[in-house]
Amino acid sequence: QVQLVESGGGVVQPGKSLRLSCAASGFTFSRYGMHWVRQAPGKGLEWVAAISYDGSNQHYVDSVKGRFTISRDDSQNTLYLQMNSLRAEDTAVYYCAKDTGSTFDYWGQGAPVTVSS
Amino acid sequence: DIVMTQTPLSSPVTLGQPASISCRSSQSLVHSDGNTYLSWLHQRPGQPPRLLIYKISNRFSGVPDRFSGSGAGTDFTLKISRVEGEDVGVYYCMQATQFPWTFGQGTKVEIK
Repeated sequence: QVQLVESGGGVVQPGKSLRLSCAASGFTFSRYGMHWVRQAPGKGLEWVAAISYDGSNQHYVDSVKGRFTISRDDSQNTLYLQMNSLRAEDTAVYYCAKDTGSTFDYWGQGAPVTVSS
Repeated sequence: DIVMTQTPLSSPVTLGQPASISCRSSQSLVHSDGNTYLSWLHQRPGQPPRLLIYKISNRFSGVPDRFSGSGAGTDFTLKISRVEGEDVGVYYCMQATQFPWTFGQGTKVEIK
């Protein structure tokens, strides 16, 4: 069965960096695009970033452009989100999600990130 | 960016009764390939979202047939024919026609 397991979340000071990982199993990782979606405490869902199945294309929400980088390592079946220059408004649970080509069909349990001094 | 607007934002329902959620997009969701990439997701408290419906009206694997989606262009609807206790939570519409993919604000369904 498909499993997505995020790790790397935690508490970090404003301006610092954090890298999230998402370990994938149960499907052929290299065939699918992948995404990061976040949810601030008590708020709705916000799409953050996407990477194509072959890593050749990335897309970002405007609020993270230039600060976050999505990447993948198909040899490790792992998705990453490098987050630099973190701000208080980046505080959220970060989910990785598998792309069907038209939506997300599977989600991880989420990694909480708190940006606070 | 495409703005997704859901109504209502809160929906108290009686067990066994129907429920309906509307979603309107700020522009047409018809992709250049002819498909309309509108999905519905459900999130229970403390859980990640799960996919219910994709491309307007296609139920995802394992989703009960009491859930149905309809609509076209900019107006879409999710219907639950008979609400069950496990249906409580927040429902989101989402468009994947163009980046950035965007979600509605969410509709909270609770039992009266």
